[in-house]
This record gives sequence, C-alpha cells and structure tokens, in this order.
Amino acid sequence: QVQLQESGPGLVKPSQTLSLTCTVSGGSISSGTYYWSWIRQPAGKGLEWIGRIYPSGSTTYNPSLKSRVTISIDTSKNQFSLRLNSVTAADTAVYYCARDHYGSGTYFPFWGQGTLVTVSP
Amino acid sequence: QSALTQPASVSGSPGQSITISCTGTSSDVGSYNLVSWYQQHPGKAPKLMISEVNKRPSGVSNRFSGSKSGNTASLTISGLQAEDEADYYCCSYAGSSTVIFGGGTKLTVL
Repeated sequence: QVQLQESGPGLVKPSQTLSLTCTVSGGSISSGTYYWSWIRQPAGKGLEWIGRIYPSGSTTYNPSLKSRVTISIDTSKNQFSLRLNSVTAADTAVYYCARDHYGSGTYFPFWGQGTLVTVSP
Repeated sequence: QSALTQPASVSGSPGQSITISCTGTSSDVGSYNLVSWYQQHPGKAPKLMISEVNKRPSGVSNRFSGSKSGNTASLTISGLQAEDEADYYCCSYAGSSTVIFGGGTKLTVL
C-alpha cells in the first residue's frame, strides 16, 4: 500500500517562498502510469488542486496559481516537491500530496496526512 | 475556473438516505465522466469514496453510490450511519489537464 508523507517548514514569512516535499513509500514513484499532485485546504474551507507532475518531469498547474508554482520530482529519492513563491496570508492552508490517477479516471486514491503551513511575519 | 457548487450542509437520520449534489458546467462535469467524491473527517485527509461518477473503490461500503445527469453529479448515501458524518467533496476533470473541486458539504447524522 503506497503511503505519502509531507514535510517542510510550518511557518513562512509573507513574500517568501513556501517549500514542501512529499516522500512516497510502498512503491516506486516512477512505476505505473501515475501522476503526483499537490492539493491544499485553508482552514474551514474547501480543497484546491495546485498542480501535478509525471515522473518524466512534465507538469500541469492550476491556472490561478501557475505564475507562482513550481513542482519538481526526484525519482532517486522517491520524492516530489512544491515551491510556491511570493506567499501571502491567503496561502495559509493544510497542504496535501496525493497520487493522481490522471489519464486513467482522474482521481486521488492515496493522500498524505497533510501539513499545515502558516504565512505570518 | 470556479469551484463546483455543493450545498453547504445536508442532514439525515440513521437509516435514511441522503443525496449530495455537485453542479458544474458543460466545461467540466457535463463534458466528462470523471467525477470523484471524497469523505473527510475532521483533522483527517480526504478519502476517495467514488471515482469516474459511479465506481466504488475496494473497501468502500456499497451504501455509497454516485450518478450524473447533465452538469450535475450526485452522491447518495443509503442506510445512514453515525460514522458517515463528515464533509464531502466532489471533484471533476475540467479540461486542459486540470481538475476542480466542489466547495464541500457537511453531512450531519441527526
């Protein structure tokens, strides 16, 4: 059973860059036809898809965040990462990483536990 | 891209059935049979309950079912149980390789 775990700073200052890493265990990040996504959820609010990456490095981003987001992958470490620059308080949220079955149904069967990132001076 | 529209809350008594709607547009829900549903308990990660409109993953109770008509998808929970009390989110492919979520529905079991 694949497992995902987010890690990274829980506090980021406004205008700086939020950086998170998702470590995948229980299977190779390069196996199969799976993609890997980041999704976030502000407190008390709904889910927002941020973007996805394929093991080849190909990415797709939410148009509303595209100018500030970079997702990368390190297959040797079985990890993928999120960078969100020029953050504001509106970026405060729980950030989830998930396995993304894009192209074969487009759904998220496996999620990390989530990590809270607060943007504050 | 605007979030899919879900009712903020629904409620039902144990044993009853409830339906949660998810309304999109002809650019997302209406164009693709790629709607999924997630259950989220407080402080927990979302859990996949339905994929591709009406497919139930292994381990998900057959009390959960999904359907779609036009631009609206629906999740029905039959034989409500206390453990079903949670937030529910729909998600749809929205074209151009993107996905969009609904705003979420809080289910209360009375």
